[in-house]
Amino acid sequence: EVQLVESGGTLVQPGGSLRLSCAASGFTFTTYSMSWVRQAPGRGLEWVAGINADGSKKSYVDSVRGRFTISRDNAKNSLDLHMNSLRAEDTAVYYCARDWGGYERNFDYWGQGTLVTVSS
Amino acid sequence: DIQMTQSPSTLSASVGDRVTISCRASQSISSWLAWFQQKPGKAPKLLIYKASSLESGVPSRFSGSGSGTEFTLTISSLQPDDFATYYCQDYSSYSRTFGQGTKVEIK
Repeated sequence: EVQLVESGGTLVQPGGSLRLSCAASGFTFTTYSMSWVRQAPGRGLEWVAGINADGSKKSYVDSVRGRFTISRDNAKNSLDLHMNSLRAEDTAVYYCARDWGGYERNFDYWGQGTLVTVSS
Repeated sequence: DIQMTQSPSTLSASVGDRVTISCRASQSISSWLAWFQQKPGKAPKLLIYKASSLESGVPSRFSGSGSGTEFTLTISSLQPDDFATYYCQDYSSYSRTFGQGTKVEIK
């Protein structure tokens, strides 16, 4: 059974830093791209960052480029999102999602989400 | 960057109605479009991929069509479990973009 379990969400002050993690199991992690998707309270879904299967290519939405870094550890089946210079508008539930694996679909599995609140 | 525009933003319908949601891409994305259903407090669920392919386990009353820049999600006969918010999503490039969502409400 595919499982994605996020952790690390908490209350953080503006300008602060945070690391989110996603533990993956139940599939061959090394053959899938992975992404982080967020949802601000009462708002729609926003793709934040993606990383390809071997970690050599990373992409970001413009609003987080230069502040957030996505990374993965294929030996540990884990995905991270390092978040710096956090702003109030980064407040959201952050989801880890399985992305492209060569089967013509993406985002077929999601974690339960972890809440990040940026506030003083 | 590709922009995805859904219409309508909100839709009021009754059980048994045929429901259609539209999604427009700002440039051609071929058939690299997915549809998701999301209920409050839950993660999104993949319904349709590559514009018209039904994800395993999804009821056949859901269907998708379109290519290029114009896409449609159709629910042939709305069921009580279908009241939710629906999102289209482009995956034609390394960046992924979601539409703003369509909330399907009970009429």
